[in-house]
Amino acid sequence: NAGVTQTPKFQVLKTGQSMTLQCAQDMNHNSMYWYRQDPGMGLRLIYYSASEGTTDKGEVPNGYNVSRLNKREFSLRLESAAPSQTSVYFCASRGLAADTQYFGPGTRLTVL
Amino acid sequence: AQSVTQLGSHVSVSEGALVLLRCNYSSSVPPYLFWYVQYPNQGLQLLLKYTSAATLVKGINGFEAEFKKSETSFHLTKPSAHMSDAAEYFCAVSDRPGGGNKLTFGTGTQLKVEL
Repeated sequence: NAGVTQTPKFQVLKTGQSMTLQCAQDMNHNSMYWYRQDPGMGLRLIYYSASEGTTDKGEVPNGYNVSRLNKREFSLRLESAAPSQTSVYFCASRGLAADTQYFGPGTRLTVL
Repeated sequence: AQSVTQLGSHVSVSEGALVLLRCNYSSSVPPYLFWYVQYPNQGLQLLLKYTSAATLVKGINGFEAEFKKSETSFHLTKPSAHMSDAAEYFCAVSDRPGGGNKLTFGTGTQLKVEL
């Protein structure tokens, strides 16, 4: 099994450009999450989807939107990228009634 | 509200020495607690977890952690460090599945293992 996959692995944007980060899982998990990782700050939750058709804000949602396209896929969109959004983005998923989240390999985003 | 404090952003040990990475948590409900490891340029991998069963939890690669409610701690230990243990370690606390199982992470501890 591939587990949690993320595309792209790396991306460089200019300020004001938009892009969508893609995440897919093949573990039939109900819940999916987007985190950002910044040096000295650990990982912070951006948005999550407890189940297909629902999304909720996390700790740092400003400047982002998400779409739970189906049970497998959960995308994160930056409508107008800012340098403060330079970060490593991780997607994670969790099975129904389970307690452990499984993480993808990350997308390293630089906004110039 | 939940929070995690990891004391020491960098820890250095000699190969073969004891590894001790500290984690203290704050939670308004009985917590679920996790340790994840991140190797360079990779995602996070679960090391071990506490979900209200045994207070001494054993994980992969010889790591273990003990939940101490009175001290609100969940420190990670390994008796003998190996060079391959060099990585960043994150402690995390979550609410329960009914609350979305959202994880709150500490700021991480970078472990260096020296010869």
